[in-house]
Amino acid sequence: KAGVTQTPRYLIKTRGQQVTLSCSPISGHRSVSWYQQTPGQGLQFLFEYFSETQRNKGNFPGRFSGRQFSNSRSEMNVSTLELGDSALYLCASSSGGVGSPLHFGNGTRLTVT
Amino acid sequence: GQQLNQSPQSMFIQEGEDVSMNCTSSSIFNTWLWYKQDPGEGPVLLIALYKAGELTSNGRLTAQFGITRKDSFLNISASIPSDVGIYFCAGRSGGTSYGKLTFGQGTILTVHP
Repeated sequence: KAGVTQTPRYLIKTRGQQVTLSCSPISGHRSVSWYQQTPGQGLQFLFEYFSETQRNKGNFPGRFSGRQFSNSRSEMNVSTLELGDSALYLCASSSGGVGSPLHFGNGTRLTVT
Repeated sequence: GQQLNQSPQSMFIQEGEDVSMNCTSSSIFNTWLWYKQDPGEGPVLLIALYKAGELTSNGRLTAQFGITRKDSFLNISASIPSDVGIYFCAGRSGGTSYGKLTFGQGTILTVHP
């Protein structure tokens, strides 16, 4: 069974630009969650989508947004990039049920210059 | 917000030694998860715990869900060089948290042959 796939693996953007990251969940999984990982703040929850609806949201500014498609694939968008947005962005999928464990992809490394 | 205190921050051990790390919180969690992350990769699920007092093993790994629901520990027995990596605990607080996990800061494990 294929794991969680994230594309691209690496991105370099300039401050002020916007970026879109993509995540394909494990086949059959309906929930996709996004996390930001930085050396200073660790792993922080951004948002979760289930059946194309945002089900949970973390404490990030509105510049961070996401969506989920009918095939459960998800995209995350960051607008007006800031230097502090440089991070590893991780996507995790699960069946979506109560208590179901999250399985992570290998992430997209975003560098903002 | 919720915080998980994970300790120790780092460990340097000899191959063959046993390892113990733990996470504590001021809040109650309904699910505890333990992950391992290797450089350049996403976290990989090691063990999931769902009931207070639960003790679960996965090969040389053993984890327990604390009775108070505010802590968990992970033990690794007879460490080997491939155990090197960063170990994270993660908690899920309520029935509607689903994909929203709170992560500890991580324990960096180094194993000397």
